[in-house]
Amino acid sequence: GIQVEQSPPDLILQEGANSTLRCNFSDSVNNLQWFHQNPWGQLINLFYIPSGTKQNGRLSATTVATERYSLLYISSSQTTDSGVYFCAVSTGNQFYFGTGTSLTVIP
Amino acid sequence: DAGVIQSPRHEVTEMGQEVTLRCKPISGHDYLFWYRQTMMRGLELLIYFNNNVPIDDSGMPEDRFSAKMPNASFSTLKIQPSEPRDSAVYFCASSFATGKIYFGEGSWLTVV
Repeated sequence: GIQVEQSPPDLILQEGANSTLRCNFSDSVNNLQWFHQNPWGQLINLFYIPSGTKQNGRLSATTVATERYSLLYISSSQTTDSGVYFCAVSTGNQFYFGTGTSLTVIP
Repeated sequence: DAGVIQSPRHEVTEMGQEVTLRCKPISGHDYLFWYRQTMMRGLELLIYFNNNVPIDDSGMPEDRFSAKMPNASFSTLKIQPSEPRDSAVYFCASSFATGKIYFGEGSWLTVV
């Protein structure tokens, strides 16, 4: 299957700081999604972004499919942004998840 | 709008017992996925359905696991007999075509 690597594995931010999370994948994909798993375990879909750039409030994501990576930007971080961020990629309908970036935002 | 609904939210059962997890996908979605999440293995796809038909069950750990989707609004994942190593969070998710995937809140299973 496709290998998905996320970096950094852990990140601690002061509230208000910005951050960039990276997702590298080992093969061409036609689907890429970013998820946030909050401290209560809920998985929330942030972006469906097989290519290009999208923005949603303080979050934005960019996927460069030809270079096999995607970036998730978090600006002006808040404590509610804490949790684990997963990247998932697919060539069909089987999604391969990365191991996630664990983000802690401290007040 | 209702999201993906899973039940039970939490279950504690004894080794050897049968466990049935239930899922109601988002109305109109034609894909349904069952995932398992553990600390050791992360998120693993167990099986997925398209239009109620199982497409890929290669992630099902062994014959103790089975999944059904008798209609577009209901799916079950059954473990029989359950073992302690099955303890995990089991997520159901659905999507329309190859679009955004929406997860349920998960079923937290503990087998003692």
